[in-house]
Amino acid sequence: DAGVTQSPTHLIKTRGQQVTLRCSPKSGHDTVSWYQQALGQGPQFIFQYYEEEERQRGNFPDRFSGHQFPNYSSELNVNALLLGDSALYLCASSPGTGIGDTQYFGPGTRLTVL
Amino acid sequence: GQQVMQIPQYQHVQEGEDFTTYCNSSTTLSNIQWYKQRPGGHPVFLIQLVKSGEVKKQKRLTFQFGEAKKNSSLHITATQTTDVGTYFCAGNTGGYQKVTFGIGTKLQVIP
Repeated sequence: DAGVTQSPTHLIKTRGQQVTLRCSPKSGHDTVSWYQQALGQGPQFIFQYYEEEERQRGNFPDRFSGHQFPNYSSELNVNALLLGDSALYLCASSPGTGIGDTQYFGPGTRLTVL
Repeated sequence: GQQVMQIPQYQHVQEGEDFTTYCNSSTTLSNIQWYKQRPGGHPVFLIQLVKSGEVKKQKRLTFQFGEAKKNSSLHITATQTTDVGTYFCAGNTGGYQKVTFGIGTKLQVIP
């Protein structure tokens, strides 16, 4: 049973470019959340997808957008990249959106913006 | 907005010593989760506490949730080198997993 997978592992972009990160949730999970983790910080919630809709959003600008597909996989898109977008982007999946549902994190995508 | 504060930010201990990290929220939490992140790795779920005053144990790890559901602690007894990593608490105030992470406590264990 595969856990949460993310691609690519590493990515280098330049300012102003656009990037798409991908996530496949753990088998049986239908909810995907995205987090940004800057160096030395805790993960910060970007948004959560459930049933192909964005259910909740953190304090991130509209440059950050996402999508969830019918197979529950998800994409995170970031437009007009800034140097400050350099971070580890983590995807977490859970079997639902309830309080008792445990989140499982993927290995992350390390994004470097030059 | 909700803030989750965690102290200390760094902790060095001799192997065999105990370790505790504390987490405080500015708002009442529905639940609190604890994660461990090894260097270069991703957060790994350790436990979730839901009830006021709840105490849970996992081998040498003891987790507590405060009576007011605004603070929590993780205590490790007799640390080992395998305990090295950053421990995060993450508080949830809603029905979905919009959790707010603390800054983490980075634990170094000196052999």
